[in-house]
Amino acid sequence: GAGVSQSPRYKVAKRGQDVALRCDPISGHVSLFWYQQALGQGPEFLTYFQNEAQLDKSGLPSDRFFAERPEGSVSTLKIQRTQQEDSAVYLCASSLLGISAGGQGYTFGSGTRLTVV
Amino acid sequence: GENVEQHPSTLSVQEGDSAVIKCTYSDSASNYFPWYKQELGKGPQLIIDIRSNVGEKKDQRIAVTLNKTAKHFSLHITETQPEDSAVYFCASTDKLIFGTGTRLQVFP
Repeated sequence: GAGVSQSPRYKVAKRGQDVALRCDPISGHVSLFWYQQALGQGPEFLTYFQNEAQLDKSGLPSDRFFAERPEGSVSTLKIQRTQQEDSAVYLCASSLLGISAGGQGYTFGSGTRLTVV
Repeated sequence: GENVEQHPSTLSVQEGDSAVIKCTYSDSASNYFPWYKQELGKGPQLIIDIRSNVGEKKDQRIAVTLNKTAKHFSLHITETQPEDSAVYFCASTDKLIFGTGTRLQVFP
């Protein structure tokens, strides 16, 4: 596609509910990142994939957060037993090259706004 | 880990004036420094980036300077226009450690 697509655009979950957020990166992009952006803050790194391999998950805040990219294209971020502090915008970004190529321009999606009530 | 500080948090300028946003980083091994513009309800959009082997880079009204010794880098916007109003984020490292953002308002 022309850009990074994320769905749903908005998600309201009751506390304790599981949620799944989807990211469709630009076709052919090797790298895929997930970020969490709290209101009024900068995005915070969650995890990084190079193709289907999850090379860095150091930013995932707890074991309730899980991400996958089984075929090296679409990625899903799953949050189990959601809590109010999980409320944030979850951003996905992709880039053509792997992270070992050095810093490069990453294309971000518009994000999924998750509200836990 | 890497830490990026950004200031000011808000910046108001008159149309046509210049705007400067500054960032400092902690990891001396960092070698990639992009700037992103984020409009309401949208994801961040890359506007300019610089690598550690370059001290300055310019693209029309936007320029970025890097002082590796002092671990500082800055965004300069000249001849500001109302459409420049947005939140701007600096970042460092390949996996992007972001600053806290600067809300820029350009008044006509």
